[in-house]
Amino acid sequence: ETGVTQTPRHLVMGMTNKKSLKCEQHLGHNAMYWYKQSAKKPLELMFVYNFKEQTENNSVPSRFSPECPNSSHLFLHLHTLQPEDSALYLCASSQEGTDTQYFGPGTRLTVL
Amino acid sequence: DAKTTQPTSMDCAEGRAANLPCNHSTISGNEYVYWYRQIHSQGPQYIIHGLKNNETNEMASLIITEDRKSSTLILPHATLRDTAVYYCIVRAYDTGGFKTIFGAGTRLFVKA
Repeated sequence: ETGVTQTPRHLVMGMTNKKSLKCEQHLGHNAMYWYKQSAKKPLELMFVYNFKEQTENNSVPSRFSPECPNSSHLFLHLHTLQPEDSALYLCASSQEGTDTQYFGPGTRLTVL
Repeated sequence: DAKTTQPTSMDCAEGRAANLPCNHSTISGNEYVYWYRQIHSQGPQYIIHGLKNNETNEMASLIITEDRKSSTLILPHATLRDTAVYYCIVRAYDTGGFKTIFGAGTRLFVKA
């Protein structure tokens, strides 16, 4: 499998549930990103990991918890979300020294 | 990072060249111009980037003015599948990982 993959592609969860989004990149990159895209809004950068270290947390609420166990995998753990957190969550990766980001297909999240 | 200004939307006839402008009048000497596009409900896709010289790849051409204050993305023979939101981003290299900020972009409609 090549490129950036994300699972699941669709997720419906209640406000009391705990779930995780997974991202995997097969490109040998060492930087990974989480973005949120709400309906009719620009992409919002949430987190940046560079060589497994978090280098950016863009004022994201603590109900979103990222995890980067290695340069190829990135998780977003979700708990006690709100309906306004419903959005398309996108993962991307890039090679250090370039800003050419490769995006996954996204996870469409609906919080009931 | 320098701010970019793009038209909200544009139309283009199928088979004709689509010319998407971007203004970045405050660009610094070390900042690159990047273009991405996002087809509805998919992750953004990298198109092309450049610093000073014009660039061409299999997808598009990037024309950067001599003063670097504006650029134009050219899709030489637009097809219906090129209908998407096109983002122009100006970024400089950052060792902490790129914290790319996506604006609203230009919504290109390619019509038959």
